Amino acid sequence: EDKVVQSPLSLVVHEGDTVTLNCSYEVTNFRSLLWYKQEKKAPTFLFMLTSSGIEKKSGRLSSILDKKELFSILNITATQTGDSAVYLCAVLPTSGTYKYIFGTGTRLKVLA
Amino acid sequence: EADIYQTPRYLVIGTGKKITLECSQTMGHDKMYWYQQDPGMELHLIHYSYGVNSTEKGDLSSESTVSRIRTEHFPLTLESARPSHTSQYLCASSEPHRGEQYFGPGTRLTVT
Repeated sequence: EDKVVQSPLSLVVHEGDTVTLNCSYEVTNFRSLLWYKQEKKAPTFLFMLTSSGIEKKSGRLSSILDKKELFSILNITATQTGDSAVYLCAVLPTSGTYKYIFGTGTRLKVLA
Repeated sequence: EADIYQTPRYLVIGTGKKITLECSQTMGHDKMYWYQQDPGMELHLIHYSYGVNSTEKGDLSSESTVSRIRTEHFPLTLESARPSHTSQYLCASSEPHRGEQYFGPGTRLTVT
């Protein structure tokens, strides 16, 4: 059965800290891996990764995919209280159905 | 910025009522999705659509139904609401041949 596992489940840090969130997957016929940030309501898109070893970067956030070891990490440097959210990882298989498989998320709390 | 809308945002209804949750997007996306998410839990796909007159059930068994008569509109209907339907319902859409999904703000449903 296809699955996506995120770790840690929750994390509390202080402003200025650097955090690394993990996403491992077991999916038949991998197509792409996506990261989302979910605050109060809807998830917002952060990154999509399809190729191994190529880092995607946006400001203080960056992400990389390892297709051999079947995982991805999301790094956040110099964290701010506004980074507090649930970070979701999702994998899209190539089955043609466009059915995304989501992990349970990592709940990040950044203290001032 | 993604333009995907859901109404109502909050709904409290009694057991046995019929309800329709509305979802509309103005991006012309062919693919649309309904997810159910309980607090602190992962998103579960309950319905998806590849285009007009195309609907499929997702992985999570659901007593709801959907329709896709117009590209921009993907309503979800519960014929007879039960307390077990209490949850957050998220609608999403995605572009053809692209991976990222855009989510609506969600409907938080409480069935008493």
